[in-house]
Amino acid sequence: DADVTQTPRNRITKTGKRIMLECSQTKGHDRMYWYRQDPGLGLRLIYYSFDVKDINKGEISDGYSVSRQAQAKFSLSLESAIPNQTALYFCATSDSRTGNTEAFFGQGTRLTVV
Amino acid sequence: QKEVEQNSGPLSVPEGAIASLNCTYSDRGSQSFFWYRQYSGKSPELIMSIYSNGDKEDGRFTAQLNKASQYVSLLIRDSQPSDSATYLCAVNESSNTGKLIFGQGTTLQVKP
Repeated sequence: DADVTQTPRNRITKTGKRIMLECSQTKGHDRMYWYRQDPGLGLRLIYYSFDVKDINKGEISDGYSVSRQAQAKFSLSLESAIPNQTALYFCATSDSRTGNTEAFFGQGTRLTVV
Repeated sequence: QKEVEQNSGPLSVPEGAIASLNCTYSDRGSQSFFWYRQYSGKSPELIMSIYSNGDKEDGRFTAQLNKASQYVSLLIRDSQPSDSATYLCAVNESSNTGKLIFGQGTTLQVKP
């Protein structure tokens, strides 16, 4: 089983719909991240959380919201999906206790907004 | 705006050759540097981390770091077709925010 699990793996939704992407981890890491990947643009940070009560915006947070329900769970919501939010979304975790910032990724969610 | 720059490629090398992937970064205070491999449609996989100047070897992979030049590279010796993937360079922010900044990735093609 994957240490960082994302659901769903693929989703097609209509413009204007609300959608939630979920991430859970068994690594025991305190830090969790949501990234978006578009062709030619690399990985861009949407939101990140250092613990349940600490949530921060990344470089492209507009149109997204997040919830850290527990240390192991971090969900990303698109309140009203639009076509340019079509992308590959990754959840990642890291462990602040190591003093490093190496991140470990989930399998990804391919989202298509039509 | 802190940046990490990579040549998008594709970089094409014959099987058995050395592949050299390069990355520059703008945040002079960055302390942690990572190379991820990503196969098409899959998630990034950490393959190397480096924290101090010089070389770090792990099997066929060698990471090289030069903080004065703000430059980090990845060498892949005896390249195999299975090494064909996109390689992402990632650098931590110096303000210890716990955030990684990623380059756009270099696509490597190893031809049999």
